[in-house]
Amino acid sequence: GAGVSQSPSNKVTEKGKDVELRCDPISGHTALYWYRQSLGQGLEFLIYFQGNSAPDKSGLPSDRFSAERTGGSVSTLTIQRTQQEDSAVYLCASSLASSGSLETQYFGPGTRLLVL
Amino acid sequence: LAKTTQPISMDSYEGQEVNITCSHNNIATNDYITWYQQFPSQGPRFIIQGYKTKVTNEVASLFIPADRKSSTLSLPRVSLSDTAVYYCLVNSNTGKLIFGQGTTLQVKP
Repeated sequence: GAGVSQSPSNKVTEKGKDVELRCDPISGHTALYWYRQSLGQGLEFLIYFQGNSAPDKSGLPSDRFSAERTGGSVSTLTIQRTQQEDSAVYLCASSLASSGSLETQYFGPGTRLLVL
Repeated sequence: LAKTTQPISMDSYEGQEVNITCSHNNIATNDYITWYQQFPSQGPRFIIQGYKTKVTNEVASLFIPADRKSSTLSLPRVSLSDTAVYYCLVNSNTGKLIFGQGTTLQVKP
């Protein structure tokens, strides 16, 4: 079956512009996660959704970052007024149940964001 | 959250068994040990998870001693395609995964 998909696969933007990154989880997966991977910081957690609510937003680096999930499916990560340090690969993952990280998380291929 | 320590890099040759050890001295009673694999330009992929003793699947084995302060991922007869970064994680029912720096395994012909 289809895995987690993300779009766009690559995004180049200018400093100060807003960007939206999309994640389509595996059908039926109730939990959805966003992570960021950069050379300096490794792979870091951003936010976790259970259904449409986000019980854990602790990893969002600033108020320029926000995410939403509608219909318990697609999620959008928005970065406002992008900065060069936002350049990274943004990874989305989904899992079956609400039992948190004991469930296997299935990752998408990521969106490579470059802020010039 | 428990912190994990693993070697930054390892080299091996095709056909050999590779063992990657991870330390997690502060592991909590509810924590499980999970290993993920990541190839370049791809997202991480689940390999194996365990709580204690030994777990084996079609890809790898995971050995966890009684004190659970460390674990060892064993990859039998590696091939060139096993070249990847391997992450050891300690996770409980908190939703998020905390990744360390991982071990870069280079398999040589």
